[in-house]
Amino acid sequence: QVHLVESGGGVVQPGRSLRLSCAASGFQFSGYAIHWVRQAPGKGPEWVAAISKDGRNKYYADSVKGRFTISRDNSKNTLYLQMNSLRPEDTAVNYCVRDSGSSTLTNPGAFDIWGQGTMVNVSS
Amino acid sequence: SYVLTQPPSVSVAPGQTARITCGENNIGSKSVHWYQQKPGQAPVLVVYDDSDRPSGIPDRFSGSNSGNTATLTISRVVAGDEADYYCQVWDSSSDHWVFGGGTKLTVL
Repeated sequence: QVHLVESGGGVVQPGRSLRLSCAASGFQFSGYAIHWVRQAPGKGPEWVAAISKDGRNKYYADSVKGRFTISRDNSKNTLYLQMNSLRPEDTAVNYCVRDSGSSTLTNPGAFDIWGQGTMVNVSS
Repeated sequence: SYVLTQPPSVSVAPGQTARITCGENNIGSKSVHWYQQKPGQAPVLVVYDDSDRPSGIPDRFSGSNSGNTATLTISRVVAGDEADYYCQVWDSSSDHWVFGGGTKLTVL
């Protein structure tokens, strides 16, 4: 089966850093673009960042640009999100999500596979 | 920036048809995707590219998109359809992916 499993969440103080990981299995990870999508408590999903299959193309939401970095290691079938200068408003469940469309993100598709999510709580 | 507008809530009796809208100027020119999310679970794709269904999604779920409004239609609604539904598009002008605010479907 196709699986995405996130890890690395937890409680962190404002201004500190955290790195999330997402382990993929059941499909050719290196053939797909992947996104991070987050969801604050009681709110709808918010797209955070995207990366093309080879890591060359990266895109960020305005709310995280300059603070978060998306990356991937295709040899390990793993996606990462480095989160720096965290703020209370970054508190959310973070999902790793597969893009069903163009692997270069020139013509993206739908988010067809979602992980179960990992919670990040930014609080003093 | 691109903003997708959904009604906060829709209520329907079992066996009836629910229609959930997603509005934005000229949304008909974009591919719209729809997700269902039940409490405590990750979202699930139910309609992609305006009107296609992933494997395993009942044909009671359908979609349309024209002009300024995209619509998710759920026919013969059952209690298990009660969930939050979100529309989503890719804004090519900004290379940002956008979700609607979500609609809570209540089955009476």
